[in-house]
Amino acid sequence: GIQVEQSPPDLILQEGANSTLRCNFSDSVNNLQWFHQNPWGQLINLFYIPSGTKQNGRLSATTVATERYSLLYISSSQTTDSGVYFCAVELRRDDKIIFGKGTRLHILP
Amino acid sequence: GAVVSQHPSRVICKSGTSVKIECRSLDFQATTMFWYRQFPKQSLMLMATSNEGSKATYEQGVEKDKFLINHASLTLSTLTVTSAHPEDSSFYICSAALAYEQYFGPGTRLTVT
Repeated sequence: GIQVEQSPPDLILQEGANSTLRCNFSDSVNNLQWFHQNPWGQLINLFYIPSGTKQNGRLSATTVATERYSLLYISSSQTTDSGVYFCAVELRRDDKIIFGKGTRLHILP
Repeated sequence: GAVVSQHPSRVICKSGTSVKIECRSLDFQATTMFWYRQFPKQSLMLMATSNEGSKATYEQGVEKDKFLINHASLTLSTLTVTSAHPEDSSFYICSAALAYEQYFGPGTRLTVT
């Protein structure tokens, strides 16, 4: 089946640092989204980014669909950025949505 | 816009009882909703696709008689965990699509004692 791999699995950074999270996928996709799951479990939409680059404040994302990967950049990290970041893809062949295993980010004050 | 609610947010029930979880799209209509299950420190696993006006489509390994899904309207899907057992304890999350983006409910934490 399709593989959605996220790296790194865990990341601990000092406040103010920058980070890059990666999502690789093994099949053609219609859509790709990045989510942040906060400590209470709520999934927050970060980006809908099937291709190209988007920016929203300190966060930006790039998807290269032809090479089947996406990157999430977090600059000037804050402690509120802590949580788990998931990428999710919608498969082209059957429209199902598959999640990666997530990157657990912990920002130290 | 694009708000999805779930109710209840947390439920504790006794083994053998049934629990119903509601998922509502508050400001948009959703022909399709999705139900996910998340174990502690793990990713979300798709359980089933809920289709308004027709039967849900279940993922392999998900018991349709145990996890009953009803998509009664364009804004409401329900998941009923029947004859719950402790191994059904989990975090259940629904989502609905609006303009190709998925919006998630806040989740329901089910604990079966």
